[in-house]
Amino acid sequence: LAKTTQPISMDSYEGQEVNITCSHNNIATNDYITWYQQFPSQGPRFIIQGYKTKVTNEVASLFIPADRKSSTLSLPRVSLSDTAVYYCLVGDGGDSNYQLIWGAGTKLIIKP
Amino acid sequence: ETGVTQTPRHLVMGMTNKKSLKCEQHLGHNAMYWYKQSAKKPLELMFVYSLEERVENNSVPSRFSPECPNSSHLFLHLHTLQPEDSALYLCASSLLKGAGRDTQYFGPGTRLTVL
Repeated sequence: LAKTTQPISMDSYEGQEVNITCSHNNIATNDYITWYQQFPSQGPRFIIQGYKTKVTNEVASLFIPADRKSSTLSLPRVSLSDTAVYYCLVGDGGDSNYQLIWGAGTKLIIKP
Repeated sequence: ETGVTQTPRHLVMGMTNKKSLKCEQHLGHNAMYWYKQSAKKPLELMFVYSLEERVENNSVPSRFSPECPNSSHLFLHLHTLQPEDSALYLCASSLLKGAGRDTQYFGPGTRLTVL
C-alpha cells in the first residue's frame, strides 16, 4: 500500500504563496493524487487532482515530478479563509480497487 | 452545501445502545462511502457501496453494520460500541463506481461519543 506523509502543520501570511508537499514513495502506476481541504465541522472538499506533471485550476496548482513519489499543492496568494486542514489522497484509478490512502493532514494557519 | 447530508450531527451513546447513522446524497451518484476520522489520524475508509452493492469492507469490526437500501441512502448501524469508537463518521459519494480517481463529495459528519 502507498503510504502518504505530509507535514503536520504550516504557518503563512495573507498574500503569500503556500506550498504543501506530500510524499508517497510507493505510489502505484494506476494511482491518482488528489488534494482535499477541510474546515472545522465540515467534511473534506475536493481541491485538485493530478496524475503527472502540473495541473492548475481556479484555486490551486498541483506539481508532480516525473517519479511521482511526491506532490506539491500550491495555493497562490492565500487569505485568512484558507486556514484549514489539507489532505493528500493517493488512490487507484481502476474501477475495482478501493485502496484509498489518505495522509494525516496538514493544518495550515494563515496570519494577517 | 455539498449535496450530502448526514443525521444526526452529534450522537452520544452508551456501550450497550443500538443506534444508526444516516446519510443521503442528492447528487445522483452511484457510489457511497463511510469513513472514520479520529483526531490526528488519516481518514479510515470503512465501507464502499457501488450501485447498492458493498464492494469494500476494510476489516471493520462487526459492531459496525452498513446498509444501502438504494443509491441515495446509506446507513451505519451501531451496536455494542467501545469508547475508542468515538470519532467523526463521514459519509461521501462519488459519481462513478468509487475509486481513487473519483471526486468524493462529503457530508458534514456525525460526531459520535461512546461512553
